[in-house]
Amino acid sequence: DSGVTQTPKHLITATGQRVTLRCSPRSGDLSVYWYQQSLDQGLQFLIQYYNGEERAKGNILERFSAQQFPDLHSELNLSSLELGDSALYFCASSSFGGAPGANVLTFGAGSRLTVL
Amino acid sequence: AQSVAQPEDQVNVAEGNPLTVKCTYSVSGNPYLFWYVQYPNRGLQFLLKYITGDNLVKGSYGFEAEFNKSQTSFHLKKPSALVSDSALYFCAVRPEAGGYNKLIFGAGTRLAVHP
Repeated sequence: DSGVTQTPKHLITATGQRVTLRCSPRSGDLSVYWYQQSLDQGLQFLIQYYNGEERAKGNILERFSAQQFPDLHSELNLSSLELGDSALYFCASSSFGGAPGANVLTFGAGSRLTVL
Repeated sequence: AQSVAQPEDQVNVAEGNPLTVKCTYSVSGNPYLFWYVQYPNRGLQFLLKYITGDNLVKGSYGFEAEFNKSQTSFHLKKPSALVSDSALYFCAVRPEAGGYNKLIFGAGTRLAVHP
């Protein structure tokens, strides 16, 4: 167990629908990252939050949005789903500073989304 | 543009033989470099990182990696492969400036260790 919790583990839905993926970071980590892993595009960085604020944005579609809440958990919202959105969505968290283990992303087990 | 290249889609090694998984990067400044491993139906697990100091970095499960600044490479190595090392390996880079730890990943290399 990495300490990063993602729910749900599996999700099957239809095109046009909306889903929400949830992530609880490792205890003490203030930063949360979302990545998409698909067969044809590998691991793509979507978005990063630090202590509730958006810090970096990657290849995230306009149909997708995310937020980090005061308790530091994060949600990734995917709307108007298309077949091509089927992928494994990973959340990772990290801390900063000079402590051992800082600046290393710890990944959750992922949420597998299948759009039919 | 910042990028990471893993030139081999798959590496095949016999158990007990040494293994190398290659990685080259293209970023400005002095990057932080990482290796992660992904087992089937699992998340990515951190293996090792290079930030500064000794060019040879030792990590988990007997893996090590050598940073070569002139060749912009960070190859993953292990002296004696195990069948249980079979997995998908990702090289990643964090550009030195900014990014707040955001990582850029390579496409991954599948390592197959045969008995």
